[in-house]
Amino acid sequence: EIVLTQSPGTLSLSPGERATLSCRASQSIRSNLAWYQQKLDQAPRLLIFGASKRVTGIPDRFSGSGSGTDFTLTISRLEPEDFAVYHCQQYADSATFGRGTKVEIK
Amino acid sequence: QITLKESGPTLVKPTQTLTLTCTFSGFSLNTGGVTVGWIRQPPGEALQWLTDIYWNDNKKYSPSLRSRLTITKDTSKNQVVLTMTSMDPVDTATYYCAYSNILTGSFDYWGQGILVTVSS
Repeated sequence: EIVLTQSPGTLSLSPGERATLSCRASQSIRSNLAWYQQKLDQAPRLLIFGASKRVTGIPDRFSGSGSGTDFTLTISRLEPEDFAVYHCQQYADSATFGRGTKVEIK
Repeated sequence: QITLKESGPTLVKPTQTLTLTCTFSGFSLNTGGVTVGWIRQPPGEALQWLTDIYWNDNKKYSPSLRSRLTITKDTSKNQVVLTMTSMDPVDTATYYCAYSNILTGSFDYWGQGILVTVSS
């Protein structure tokens, strides 16, 4: 089973700052990685698939990069609505999720 | 517009079998490339993928839960059914169904989720 390790567990930042979230896979998953945003008591929402393809309607301050085993989700300037938990998911071999990174207001 | 909604019991006793139904609209599970999956999330914990069913009736299961899970589809009713046997308190979680397709591979649309509590 492919394991995804997300870091950091929690990111404390202020609105307007840049957020950089990491997701590392235990083996190569090529570009078969998605990022989701989840707010309290809501279902996850897909932001990025194919490691770097932004879903229609997602603001361009969200960007994904990486391939193989190392991936990054960047939020260029945090807006108040961006404070949430972010999950990565691989779909190269069935599916697994990382444990999530919480982006909280500093 | 694609929508999915989970239904079923919100409280089950230990050792019982859980049966959840995902009722969807806006797509057909007869369409090539379409998949419906189940994912769960214990309170305050990570998402855990459980199983997928494909348009061609292929199925995939989480290795750690394979022996307890069954997924089926009823394309005439636009429903997917998840069965999980031998429920335990550690299975307490919000259970989500979600739409995927082979073009993206990710879970593009999610149901609202249903919180299932396992307790005597």
